[in-house]
Amino acid sequence: QKEVEQNSGPLSVPEGAIASLNCTYSDRGSQSFFWYRQYSGKSPELIMSIYSNGDKEDGRFTAQLNKASQYVSLLIRDSQPSDSATYLCAVRFSGAGSYQLTFGKGTKLSVIP
Amino acid sequence: DVKVTQSSRYLVKRTGEKVFLECVQDMDHENMFWYRQDPGLGLRLIYFSYDVKMKEKGDIPEGYSVSREKKERFSLILESASTNQTSMYLCASRERTSGGLSYEQYFGPGTRLTVT
Repeated sequence: QKEVEQNSGPLSVPEGAIASLNCTYSDRGSQSFFWYRQYSGKSPELIMSIYSNGDKEDGRFTAQLNKASQYVSLLIRDSQPSDSATYLCAVRFSGAGSYQLTFGKGTKLSVIP
Repeated sequence: DVKVTQSSRYLVKRTGEKVFLECVQDMDHENMFWYRQDPGLGLRLIYFSYDVKMKEKGDIPEGYSVSREKKERFSLILESASTNQTSMYLCASRERTSGGLSYEQYFGPGTRLTVT
């Protein structure tokens, strides 16, 4: 069973702090990893993709990938109330079913002013 | 910018009705997907299409069918709507990759369907 696990939260952080969102996945052969942000009542929006071990930075967002530990994370620096949303981790698994992305159920982030 | 549009944001239908949900993308993407999203269950793949007239079942295809007659348009059909099909329906598209890593997938705004 190929799974993507996320802590459902809610994760509450004060404005200006670093929010750390975590995701683990079951298939060591996975190669493509994505973070989506979803505001309440809206559709998921792609915010980061990462394919290699290490860090990838884009503005206030940093994605971190550790394939040996089967772990991908998203850091949001200088968190703003507008970052309050549910963050979905998505993984493309290897082998059968590799055509599709498998999504975690999401972590709800609340940034407190 | 990738643009994926869906025919309706909100839809209310009666049990037993045939329901059509339309999705259009303007980026010449080969791959298109239909998901439903329910609280506590996350995103679940209903069907996907990797090319015109091609379709594959996802994880929960029962009670649904799809049609892809043109590259830009992917339709989801509820043959006989039931109350347990009340959900948020999300369409997504993605360009075809040939051995590459990029599977970046873009979603439409969603259709919230209520079946009464």
